Amino acid sequence: NAGVTQTPKFQVLKTGQSMTLQCAQDMNHEYMSWYRQDPGMGLRLIHYSVGAGITDQGEVPNGYNVSRSTTEDFPLRLLSAAPSQTSVYFCASSYSGTSAYNEQFFGPGTRLTVL
Amino acid sequence: AQKITQTQPGMFVQEKEAVTLDCTYDTSDPSYGLFWYKQPSSGEMIFLIYQGSYDQQNATEGRYSLNFQKARKSANLVISASQLGDSAMYFCAMRVSDMRFGAGTRLTVKP
Repeated sequence: NAGVTQTPKFQVLKTGQSMTLQCAQDMNHEYMSWYRQDPGMGLRLIHYSVGAGITDQGEVPNGYNVSRSTTEDFPLRLLSAAPSQTSVYFCASSYSGTSAYNEQFFGPGTRLTVL
Repeated sequence: AQKITQTQPGMFVQEKEAVTLDCTYDTSDPSYGLFWYKQPSSGEMIFLIYQGSYDQQNATEGRYSLNFQKARKSANLVISASQLGDSAMYFCAMRVSDMRFGAGTRLTVKP
């Protein structure tokens, strides 16, 4: 199993550009999520999904869109990038969509810089 | 709303000694999970240990143990016999429906 994969590893955007961060998992996990980590800080939840076709907002959803058309994929879209979105983005997944008792498995992260 | 607090921005420990990293949480939901993750300088997130809200015994995983005090809403991580490779950021997290993280503690192990 590849686990949770994220592409690209690094990305530089100009203000106003759009892009999609890709996330995929091959563990048949119901739950997937996106976090951002700013320097010296913890992870803040952007969006999450408890199953295909279901998404919900986290702590910091503004400026980001998600969709979950398949169990495997959970892309994160930046519609109009801003310098405040410069961060490291982590995708994660866990087995159950609704249980509080499952750990999440994390991807390697995408380092995004917005100029 | 769920809230996770880690009050120690940085901790130092001598190699081979034990260290406790503090974590307090707040939620009104009776069913929740508490998790600790390690983030070394390379950046990946590594799951260490888990405690369920209904678990009667403290969780242990090798040199890691979770000191769960439900009435005090604390879930401290204890690392025994610290090693140089334990130097990293450590994050406490709580899951009710989604998973939220604390701000983290940077642990430095001194030789």
